Amino acid sequence: ILNVEQSPQSLHVQEGDSTNFTCSFPSSNFYALHWYRWETAKSPEALFVMTLNGDEKKKGRISATLNTKEGYSYLYIKGSQPEDSATYLCATPNTGNQFYFGTGTSLTVIP
Amino acid sequence: DVKVTQSSRYLVKRTGEKVFLECVQDMDHENMFWYRQDPGLGLRLIYFSYDVKMKEKGDIPEGYSVSREKKERFSLILESASTNQTSMYLCASGGHPRETQYFGPGTRLLVL
Repeated sequence: ILNVEQSPQSLHVQEGDSTNFTCSFPSSNFYALHWYRWETAKSPEALFVMTLNGDEKKKGRISATLNTKEGYSYLYIKGSQPEDSATYLCATPNTGNQFYFGTGTSLTVIP
Repeated sequence: DVKVTQSSRYLVKRTGEKVFLECVQDMDHENMFWYRQDPGLGLRLIYFSYDVKMKEKGDIPEGYSVSREKKERFSLILESASTNQTSMYLCASGGHPRETQYFGPGTRLLVL
């Protein structure tokens, strides 16, 4: 079992604020790191798949960085909007194709 | 547009009933997964399948079985439902672990 931890557990920010949260994972035998956004009553939606140390990925106002040597990834949201309200999940697979998920960060953006 | 569908969004069953949850994907993915989501615990893997008729236990397989007779379909079976199996069940499919997994909308199961 791979221990994947996310912090904070929940976050409330004002519309327009920028925010970030963390995913920590075992740095040994790293294979990939996935970020998902899960809105209420919808399916989890893939944001990024990151594989290389130092990777930075961006999708609109959302970006992510990866440090495989120390075992963490940051997700950043610039200028948060109410539609960004969701739970953000990270997951890492082992080489046997089994994925391990963190418990998620629940983001609420207050208009 | 990629699609993973699950047979029911909401399901209410009685203790001891046999329950079938079905998942279908249209992306020709080799790998399919069943997870359950419980508050404070994150997504936990029940079973996954890497090919037709092939399956691997995840972290919490007790009380569950699976079936994959066709590539596009992966079924989760609760042999004798119990109240501690009340949960949200999510199916996913994917290719290589470095590629995106695609999730279904989930089935919220209540066992009375």
